[in-house]
Amino acid sequence: DGGITQSPKYLFRKEGQNVTLSCEQNLNHDAMYWYRQDPGQGLRLIYYSQIVNDFQKGDIAEGYSVSREKKESFPLTVTSAQKNPTAFYLCASSNQGAKVEQYFGPGTRLTVT
Amino acid sequence: SQQGEEDPQALSIQEGENATMNCSYKTSINNLQWYRQNSGRGLVHLILIRSNEREKHSGRLRVTLDTSKKSSSLLITASRAADTASYFCATTQTGANNLFFGTGTRLTVIP
Repeated sequence: DGGITQSPKYLFRKEGQNVTLSCEQNLNHDAMYWYRQDPGQGLRLIYYSQIVNDFQKGDIAEGYSVSREKKESFPLTVTSAQKNPTAFYLCASSNQGAKVEQYFGPGTRLTVT
Repeated sequence: SQQGEEDPQALSIQEGENATMNCSYKTSINNLQWYRQNSGRGLVHLILIRSNEREKHSGRLRVTLDTSKKSSSLLITASRAADTASYFCATTQTGANNLFFGTGTRLTVIP
């Protein structure tokens, strides 16, 4: 089965704790992306990576960190510095950056109380 | 920043009717894509139209692009209850490596 997976589907954390969201793809895509979606809103780009060991900030990177040590993995850490971390987080990948379609994972819903 | 804006924000139609959604954007683009999202799920790519194309078809989907007006439309013909979802346009700006998503249109198809 080829695709992109995110785990877990639901995640609950206490305020002040860092939390890492997993994103794995077996599509052999070079580019990977993290988006945040708030209720009734579109997607906003957090971070993206065009190649292993390289990543760029998106529009709302503050309070988040990423790593890209392997081509197939792009974990996102939501730090305690993120003021409003409760949201739906979506990971995506593509094989030619933004020139072609992106494949999305099923998302992780993070709730911080 | 969100580059695109969909119109209407919400649309409710009867099964069998056609649904038209519009997307406006602000800057020069390389291509424009339409995605579908079922509630609480990831997005699924529907269609991509390049800046030098004016119209594209895929099954019951028809997409138009007017770069002079910086707008696109998505037409779903003969709608089905299973088409109920949110639809987003996304643009690739000239020289950029990422997508900018619009705010989405929530489509409800009543059986």
